[in-house]
Amino acid sequence: KQEVTQIPAALSVPEGENLVLNCSFTDSAIYNLQWFRQDPGKGLTSLLLIQSSQREQTSGRLNASLDKSSGRSTLYIAASQPGDSATYLCAVRPEFSSGSARQLTFGSGTQLTVLP
Amino acid sequence: GAGVSQSPRYKVAKRGQDVALRCDPISGHVSLFWYQQALGQGPEFLTYFQNEAQLDKSGLPSDRFFAERPEGSVSTLKIQRTQQEDSAVYLCASSLGWSESSYEQYFGPGTRLTVT
Repeated sequence: KQEVTQIPAALSVPEGENLVLNCSFTDSAIYNLQWFRQDPGKGLTSLLLIQSSQREQTSGRLNASLDKSSGRSTLYIAASQPGDSATYLCAVRPEFSSGSARQLTFGSGTQLTVLP
Repeated sequence: GAGVSQSPRYKVAKRGQDVALRCDPISGHVSLFWYQQALGQGPEFLTYFQNEAQLDKSGLPSDRFFAERPEGSVSTLKIQRTQQEDSAVYLCASSLGWSESSYEQYFGPGTRLTVT
């Protein structure tokens, strides 16, 4: 059974710092990995999706990397801002095959606070 | 509609009551997922529909949980005889299809259920 772990569980940094969030998964047979943002009382907003054949994806100040063979991904946030404060979740989707599961398996998230 | 909608957004139920949670997926989306998110945890898979067919219900925690999607559009998650451990945010997600090219899931804002 796939297990996804995120470290740290919580992180507090001053505004302007660069930071790295970590995600690891036990089964490398994934189709893709996705990073989400969740604000209190809100649903999930997709930030970046990395296909299993890719090494990284970038969007603005965000960069996500994937090392499928070692079961690791990182989310790098440059020049953090108070508006980045939220919970960040990573999720993996299993490889496609006939009859295979299609649901995402999530980590428990990293709660980020960026202090002004 | 523009996105996945869920209702009600908040529900308080007394222990033992039955509740029904509604999900309106993005128009035309074939696949629909339900997830349960306990406080401080990542979402966990409950069940999956492809059109009106419930193809996977392996994540439903007990026989008190029941989901349906009779016309392949709107879905309802019903919880009978609610217990305190059912308190969580229930998230619905939809995707255009089930193949590799149409798999990305879009999440609704969730229904926060509190059982007192």
